[in-house]
Amino acid sequence: GQQLNQSPQSMFIQEGEDVSMNCTSSSIFNTWLWYKQDPGEGPVLLIALYKAGELTSNGRLTAQFGITRKDSFLNISASIPSDVGIYFCAGQLNAGNNRKLIWGLGTSLAVNP
Amino acid sequence: GAGVSQSPSNKVTEKGKDVELRCDPISGHTALYWYRQSLGQGLEFLIYFQGNSAPDKSGLPSDRFSAERTGGSVSTLTIQRTQQEDSAVYLCASSSLFYGYTFGSGTRLTVV
Repeated sequence: GQQLNQSPQSMFIQEGEDVSMNCTSSSIFNTWLWYKQDPGEGPVLLIALYKAGELTSNGRLTAQFGITRKDSFLNISASIPSDVGIYFCAGQLNAGNNRKLIWGLGTSLAVNP
Repeated sequence: GAGVSQSPSNKVTEKGKDVELRCDPISGHTALYWYRQSLGQGLEFLIYFQGNSAPDKSGLPSDRFSAERTGGSVSTLTIQRTQQEDSAVYLCASSSLFYGYTFGSGTRLTVV
């Protein structure tokens, strides 16, 4: 099925460093979502973006909805060990009544204390 | 309940047996989704229920997979004649009209 291009695939950083990951698509989306998945758990919504150009922060997290509506990035500032996990981007077409999300393959983040 | 509940959390089954996975969505959420996640992989869409509309079954990998949603609430994903390649974590999510999904913790299925 259709997937988003998410990069990088994995990152290994030192505690305190900033992190940036992004997703691109050949299709236009009306909504971009960023999720984090801890081991043994389902993904949890971090940030939702609903308008092109929108920049939204949630604590140390900042995400932007690209102006072309085909991309989004997520930044994590001053990383801490609990940031470890897999981060997924997802795009939502909102075509008609279909709210099915299109997912990236994830960015695996490891933080060295 | 407060979140999406899935049961069982773990299931080990013999190849060829049928399994049923259950999802209790958040009360009032009209949309329900099933995804499959293989080890170290992303999320593979399986099926989507929206209100009383016909479900979107476009992600079901074979006719051994089926799902029902009774009364617009609880959903059951059934896998018949399980194969080893069916081993994965099966995630259920629900959503309201205006917000992203809330996921359950998943059912880890192991076919031996």
